[in-house]
Amino acid sequence: DGGITQSPKYLFRKEGQNVTLSCEQNLNHDAMYWYRQDPGQGLRLIYYSQIVNDFQKGDIAEGYSVSREKKESFPLTVTSAQKNPTAFYLCASSIQRTATYEQYFGPGTRLTVT
Amino acid sequence: GENVEQHPSTLSVQEGDSAVIKCTYSDSASNYFPWYKQELGKGPQLIIDIRSNVGEKKDQRIAVTLNKTAKHFSLHITETQPEDSAVYFCAASSGAGANNLFFGTGTRLTVIP
Repeated sequence: DGGITQSPKYLFRKEGQNVTLSCEQNLNHDAMYWYRQDPGQGLRLIYYSQIVNDFQKGDIAEGYSVSREKKESFPLTVTSAQKNPTAFYLCASSIQRTATYEQYFGPGTRLTVT
Repeated sequence: GENVEQHPSTLSVQEGDSAVIKCTYSDSASNYFPWYKQELGKGPQLIIDIRSNVGEKKDQRIAVTLNKTAKHFSLHITETQPEDSAVYFCAASSGAGANNLFFGTGTRLTVIP
């Protein structure tokens, strides 16, 4: 059963702590993405990766970091430098890093920082 | 960068009626326009897309129209069913190589049985 998994579904952290969100895909896709979704706003791109060991900043990368050591995995770390970390985070993947290839999304992780 | 505006933010229709969601974009270089459906507790899923060399595309009860001159595109859902209830997002490709997707703010569609 191919797809994208994100864990956990809900995550709670205290302010000042770093937290890592998991994203795994078994679709054999080269490209992976992280988006942030806030109420009343569209999805905003945080980071993307075209291939293993490569990643690029999106529109709102400040306060976030990523790694791409394996094709299947693209974890996102929300650091204490992110001023408003509470949000719904979506991971996606596509065959290649070209907009016309369909992006497949995971179910998301809702992060709450207090 | 690209700016995508989407209206309305909420839409309620009676089952069997049609629903229309409209989006405008700012970057005339954008050339790919997908629509995503997000059901409660799930990630968005592509339902239809259109490229800039096409004015209209249909897939069963769903259609998308594109007016490049006016820089707007619309999603049309006919014969709505309760399972069509979800949040719908439009997007436009822009940026380097037109590889970034810029999303609208979403429309919550409710189909009343």
